[in-house]
Amino acid sequence: TQLLEQSPQFLSIQEGENLTVYCNSSSVFSSLQWYRQEPGEGPVLLVTVVTGGEVKKLKRLTFQFGDARKDSSLHITAAQPGDTGLYLCAGGGAGNNRKLIWGLGTSLAVNP
Amino acid sequence: GAVVSQHPSRVICKSGTSVKIECRSLDFQATTMFWYRQFPKQSLMLMATSNEGSKATYEQGVEKDKFLINHASLTLSTLTVTSAHPEDSSFYICSARDPRTSPDTQYFGPGTRLTVL
Repeated sequence: TQLLEQSPQFLSIQEGENLTVYCNSSSVFSSLQWYRQEPGEGPVLLVTVVTGGEVKKLKRLTFQFGDARKDSSLHITAAQPGDTGLYLCAGGGAGNNRKLIWGLGTSLAVNP
Repeated sequence: GAVVSQHPSRVICKSGTSVKIECRSLDFQATTMFWYRQFPKQSLMLMATSNEGSKATYEQGVEKDKFLINHASLTLSTLTVTSAHPEDSSFYICSARDPRTSPDTQYFGPGTRLTVL
């Protein structure tokens, strides 16, 4: 059974601080997706990484896929209150339907 | 691109009634759609995979007679919660895979908040 461990589960920081969220697994994934979700809304795709060692940047967010495609990280620089939300990682490629394997999520609160 | 809509966004019903939730891919054709359930401040729990023109594949522990899924066209999948009870109250979210992009990436609808009285 494929599992994806996401940490930390909760994070409360002050505006301007940096943070990193991790997703780790013993399984190899064909891709890794990161989503952000606000209360009462569906998850919004932030990025998809598919190549081992790949780094993608989205403004103040930096995403990295591990060389072995078993882990990924999301780093936010100078966090702002608008970054508050639930961050979810999902590993792709499981089964014939290619369903995603989900991390438990990181609930981030950025205080002004 | 890759926009998914979901309707209704919120529904309140009486115990014992059935509720239908629609999921549409607006600007692409989705051969595969997924239905999730989410509890407060928790991650997504996959309920079933919906494939156009064939029967849905349900995850272990999900009652297929309770949660009826129909994927009659390449842009529409429906989830019907039959004989709803208060324990079925939850946030239901659908997603669709866009064949034009990464085969693993799913695009999500805005969700449906179901409250069963």
